[in-house]
Amino acid sequence: GQNIDQPTEMTATEGAIVQINCTYQTSGFNGLFWYQQHAGEAPTFLSYNVLDGLEEKGRFSSFLSRSKGYSYLLLKELQMKDSASYLCAVSIPSGGYQKVTFGIGTKLQVIP
Amino acid sequence: KAGVTQTPRYLIKTRGQQVTLSCSPISGHRSVSWYQQTPGQGLQFLFEYFSETQRNKGNFPGRFSGRQFSNSRSEMNVSTLELGDSALYLCASRLRGDGMHEQYFGPGTRLTVT
Repeated sequence: GQNIDQPTEMTATEGAIVQINCTYQTSGFNGLFWYQQHAGEAPTFLSYNVLDGLEEKGRFSSFLSRSKGYSYLLLKELQMKDSASYLCAVSIPSGGYQKVTFGIGTKLQVIP
Repeated sequence: KAGVTQTPRYLIKTRGQQVTLSCSPISGHRSVSWYQQTPGQGLQFLFEYFSETQRNKGNFPGRFSGRQFSNSRSEMNVSTLELGDSALYLCASRLRGDGMHEQYFGPGTRLTVT
């Protein structure tokens, strides 16, 4: 089976930096996605990592280590609007195609 | 460009009934995936369609089925509803079906089974 683990909840202070970790054990690997989902809304795409290393996009960065089955999402200069769930998802080969499997998500609360 | 739309947004059904949910992808997107989201399980993959063909299926019972039309619109059907089917059903589209492009999610259909 596919296993994707991430913490269920985190709390951080406005203006600070927070790192959300994701570990995965999957049968195959094509790439790893991070999505943001505000309460009551649809998930929206944040980043996609295929190769090892850090991808930076404004206040958000995502890191991948394929050999360790590990990724993290780094959020800098936290703002109140960053309070949301962050979903880690892995694209794996399946039946000649690819399938995206999601972790349960990390609910981040940003406090003043 | 219009986003992914899903209808209806909210639905209340009784155990044993069946339900059909609809999803219209972003124009030009040929891949549509369906997910069930519950607080305890997160997003669970139901199935993916590409050019009217089901490419992948998740670990759900046969009561869950879907189809895709030639205009890429998709429907999913759940027969003989159970209380545990209460969830948010999300559909997502992407331009290509190669699993290496981001998905664009619709707002979801909130299904409540009583």
